[in-house]
Amino acid sequence: AQKITQTQPGMFVQEKEAVTLDCTYDTSDQSYGLFWYKQPSSGEMIFLIYQGSYDEQNATEGRYSLNFQKARKSANLVISASQLGDSAMYFCAMREDGGSNYKLTFGKGTLLTVNP
Amino acid sequence: GAVVSQHPSWVICKSGTSVKIECRSLDFQATTMFWYRQFPKQSLMLMATSNEGSKATYEQGVEKDKFLINHASLTLSTLTVTSAHPEDSSFYICSAVNWGGSGEQYFGPGTRLTVT
Repeated sequence: AQKITQTQPGMFVQEKEAVTLDCTYDTSDQSYGLFWYKQPSSGEMIFLIYQGSYDEQNATEGRYSLNFQKARKSANLVISASQLGDSAMYFCAMREDGGSNYKLTFGKGTLLTVNP
Repeated sequence: GAVVSQHPSWVICKSGTSVKIECRSLDFQATTMFWYRQFPKQSLMLMATSNEGSKATYEQGVEKDKFLINHASLTLSTLTVTSAHPEDSSFYICSAVNWGGSGEQYFGPGTRLTVT
């Protein structure tokens, strides 16, 4: 079974609107971390936001927020007030802290296109 | 935020030759680095975990004799693609773990390898 599932290969959103990118995960660890990265066409991986499994509040970073629903094992990324520069590939990733090497497992990604 | 550099950013080499890619953590010590490979329009695939002063740990299916990893110092890991073939053409990305922080991974800008 896939550990990280991103069901939306592509998403479109109008500039200034909000968009939600879906991510579900599968783990038996009690301690884990969830990450979202943005990858523009240049290829660099840009860290956006982090949610720890024990964090009770949803993480927020500027226009990014993470809708963490632990019982449903989902960690959706919400981008508010979309900008043209938000057009990029977005990856959800999980770090299972039961191991000692802190490996990340990535989903297949969602290509977000922001229309003017 | 922490900075990780990669060199070169792109390289073209002929079949049968070897090419070395460097990954450096510029403002923190990284005892653990990771090497990923990414094909066009696909997700990142972890190739190996590089630990300073010890042998790298390779993921299943990754040929350790073909992809040589050396992590000789706390700020430098190198990936050498030996006897390169056209199918080795890909985008290679490294990341470094900042254990001084919360164990986050910081990614390098990537190296695009083309084997002719």
